[in-house]
Amino acid sequence: RKEVEQDPGPFNVPEGATVAFNCTYSNSASQSFFWYRQDCRKEPKLLMSVYSSGNEDGRFTAQLNRASQYISLLIRDSKLSDSATYLCVVNGKNSGYALNFGKGTSLLVTP
Amino acid sequence: GAGVSQTPSNKVTEKGKYVELRCDPISGHTALYWYRQSLGQGPEFLIYFQGTGAADDSGLPNDRFFAVRPEGSVSTLKIQRTERGDSAVYLCASSTTGLETQYFGPGTRLLVL
Repeated sequence: RKEVEQDPGPFNVPEGATVAFNCTYSNSASQSFFWYRQDCRKEPKLLMSVYSSGNEDGRFTAQLNRASQYISLLIRDSKLSDSATYLCVVNGKNSGYALNFGKGTSLLVTP
Repeated sequence: GAGVSQTPSNKVTEKGKYVELRCDPISGHTALYWYRQSLGQGPEFLIYFQGTGAADDSGLPNDRFFAVRPEGSVSTLKIQRTERGDSAVYLCASSTTGLETQYFGPGTRLLVL
């Protein structure tokens, strides 16, 4: 079983829609949580860190439920430029520095 | 400022050959990571350097893979006796310390024929 599980999608949504991605992780000792964005044939880039209290950055809201080992990302008012793969990431089980990535969820926002 | 750079951007080799992939981290970043990303998968951790030493090499798949960072800056990932299953994008990332945000380079696309 992979340490980080995500629905691979694809999610096809119209511009302006709200879309939510979910992720579960298996290592209860994980300390840090992130969402990364990866465009086609590009490197992953940090979208936002995820905190237990939940956090928001513009149209993006991330939530963490440690008890359920569940992470979510909500995108409001989707833009065409949001089309990408969204990677759920937790810190590694050993050193705490290596990142464990999910397979990613593909999002396509259409006009 | 300059980000993480990786060379070559693409590498095609034949099964059984030796390859070296280079990573130039962001200046001043002491932590450096190598990941491998296969098609349709998320990146998978290979090795983590803190300074010159490999602090965690638990992700290296076997002894054909080796990485060095002799002066605590540039790192080289070395793959001996390449196999077709080694074909992937090899990503390098760096951070100021081990705890801070990891910034990724554009990757090296390795194709083993």
